[in-house]
Amino acid sequence: SAVISQKPSRDICQRGTSLTIQCQVDSQVTMMFWYRQQPGQSLTLIATANQGSEATYESGFVIDKFPISRPNLTFSTLTVSNMSPEDSSIYLCSVASGEGTQYFGPGTRLLVL
Amino acid sequence: DAKTTQPPSMDCAEGRAANLPCNHSTISGNEYVYWYRQIHSQGPQYIIHGLKNNETNEMASLIITEDRKSSTLILPHATLRDTAVYYCIVRAPNRDDKIIFGKGTRLHILP
Repeated sequence: SAVISQKPSRDICQRGTSLTIQCQVDSQVTMMFWYRQQPGQSLTLIATANQGSEATYESGFVIDKFPISRPNLTFSTLTVSNMSPEDSSIYLCSVASGEGTQYFGPGTRLLVL
Repeated sequence: DAKTTQPPSMDCAEGRAANLPCNHSTISGNEYVYWYRQIHSQGPQYIIHGLKNNETNEMASLIITEDRKSSTLILPHATLRDTAVYYCIVRAPNRDDKIIFGKGTRLHILP
């Protein structure tokens, strides 16, 4: 199994600002995924982050709003740009394992005022 | 990915077996059934997966019907710590494939 950490664990931000969330894995992985979980809702996939190439975004999510970096096989960042209160969510990263399963980080709880 | 249908919520008494159903009538031949759970304020946790045979691990058992159109996740002796949202997901086991989550079943374990 993979051990995943995220920073920060939580933050309170002002509208119009940006926050960068870091995801660190204890082993090299090909694919990393970023999800959003709005209050009381299920997880929604934002994008798939590939090392050495641009991230692939799901419908409804754009790079200008959620830029992603993947500089190596153990690390990725997600930036939530020009935040509004509607961006208040839990943001989670995950990695694919060799069995078709995924392991998830603990999440970053974001509140935008 | 094939779609799944789960009851929105269930209750189970502590110490009893919790049986969580999932319908996946459009599952295709190469797709597996995966179960994850999300305890409050934590990231989702993988529980178990299977293709057509029943599976058991230290966390749970997975019973898949012969026609593979439905399955049941069994927590044999539920504890209060099993209170969580349980997600049934059907997908092919490509290691790099994304997971699309449905709404899941909110399981309440009652003392």
